[in-house]
Amino acid sequence: KQEVTQIPAALSVPEGENLVLNCSFTDSAIYNLQWFRQDPGKGLTSLLLIQSSQREQTSGRLNASLDKSSGRSTLYIAASQPGDSATYLCAVRGVTGFQKLVFGTGTRLLVSP
Amino acid sequence: SAVISQKPSRDICQRGTSLTIQCQVDSQVTMMFWYRQQPGQSLTLIATANQGSEATYESGFVIDKFPISRPNLTFSTLTVSNMSPEDSSIYLCSVENPSYGYTFGSGTRLTVV
Repeated sequence: KQEVTQIPAALSVPEGENLVLNCSFTDSAIYNLQWFRQDPGKGLTSLLLIQSSQREQTSGRLNASLDKSSGRSTLYIAASQPGDSATYLCAVRGVTGFQKLVFGTGTRLLVSP
Repeated sequence: SAVISQKPSRDICQRGTSLTIQCQVDSQVTMMFWYRQQPGQSLTLIATANQGSEATYESGFVIDKFPISRPNLTFSTLTVSNMSPEDSSIYLCSVENPSYGYTFGSGTRLTVV
């Protein structure tokens, strides 16, 4: 059974810092991994999708890497801003069976001005 | 990526009543997914809804409590029946695209009093 863990659970940084969020998963047989952002009480916004054959994806100030063999992914946020404050979730999609996403526990980020 | 309209965005309901949540997708999709996010927790898959067949429920979720309809390829509803305070959660629908990964609705924030 796939299990996804995110570290740290919470992070508080001053504006402008570069930061790294970590995601680990127990079963390396994944189809892809997706990073999401969730604002309080809201739905999920997709940030980056990494296919199993890829090593990284970039979008603006965000960079996500994937090391499938070691069961790890990192989300790098450059020059953090107060508007980045949210909960960040990673989720993996299995290879077999129907298209089920397994979510991590989330990292709650607070960027202070 | 697909655009999902989900409603209501939030509701406060009396225990023992039922609430139906609707999701409309701007394109035809084979599968729609319903998730629950309990306070302070990550997302848990409730069921997968295929058009023209019965929904497939995850362990711990039953049709009598969470009946799902899927009348066509762009629409689905989830009903939370005979509600109790433990049903207070955010409920989200989702679809998958091979190129964009998963897209989520904006969520329904349910409070049962």
